[in-house]
Amino acid sequence: DAKTTQPNSMESNEEEPVHLPCNHSTISGTDYIHWYRQLPSQGPEYVIHGLTSNVNNRMASLAIAEDRKSSTLILHRATLRDAAVYYCILRAYNAGNMLTFGGGTRLMVKP
Amino acid sequence: KAGVTQTPRYLIKTRGQQVTLSCSPISGHRSVSWYQQTPGQGLQFLFEYFSETQRNKGNFPGRFSGRQFSNSRSEMNVSTLELGDSALYLCASSLELAGTDTQYFGPGTRLTVL
Repeated sequence: DAKTTQPNSMESNEEEPVHLPCNHSTISGTDYIHWYRQLPSQGPEYVIHGLTSNVNNRMASLAIAEDRKSSTLILHRATLRDAAVYYCILRAYNAGNMLTFGGGTRLMVKP
Repeated sequence: KAGVTQTPRYLIKTRGQQVTLSCSPISGHRSVSWYQQTPGQGLQFLFEYFSETQRNKGNFPGRFSGRQFSNSRSEMNVSTLELGDSALYLCASSLELAGTDTQYFGPGTRLTVL
């Protein structure tokens, strides 16, 4: 799987938007961009995924660069509950369900 | 729908022993994957099962093995435990094998090897 690069940590204030960046310069045409997060003492949970177009769901938005070499996960209004480690993962469509986790970004939310 | 369940939640073993961990996927899910999480190595893929067949395997020694039953429940086994096997073992289930399928993770089994 192609590699992703994320900042180790980020800080945000509660109720403000958060933009979590991810670089994936070696992404291939069949790689989907997935985001998972892991809250303290829990297993990871799915956040969002996309291929080329920007995506929105109830949890977040995913903005994908035109050349697909980077993407940004956007939390529109951070809450204390959003404090977690966020993982950006590339998955080829036909590569099964294996997730290759990097170090992720630890998001801290200040009240 | 019930989520992914893992048993036991906590386990303490001594070096040289073996251990079996169990995972029950979400009803209707046919794929089960296992991961090991340690502070030093982070989350690492162990193996993946679909329709009782191992489809993918991570870079772990042969002491780590698994299987999947006809009802999609899965077990993983670690033989001859070492101190370094202390970790959180996570199971994830998904409907199929497509790269777009969402993985649903269980709460994990915390294994401590003394």
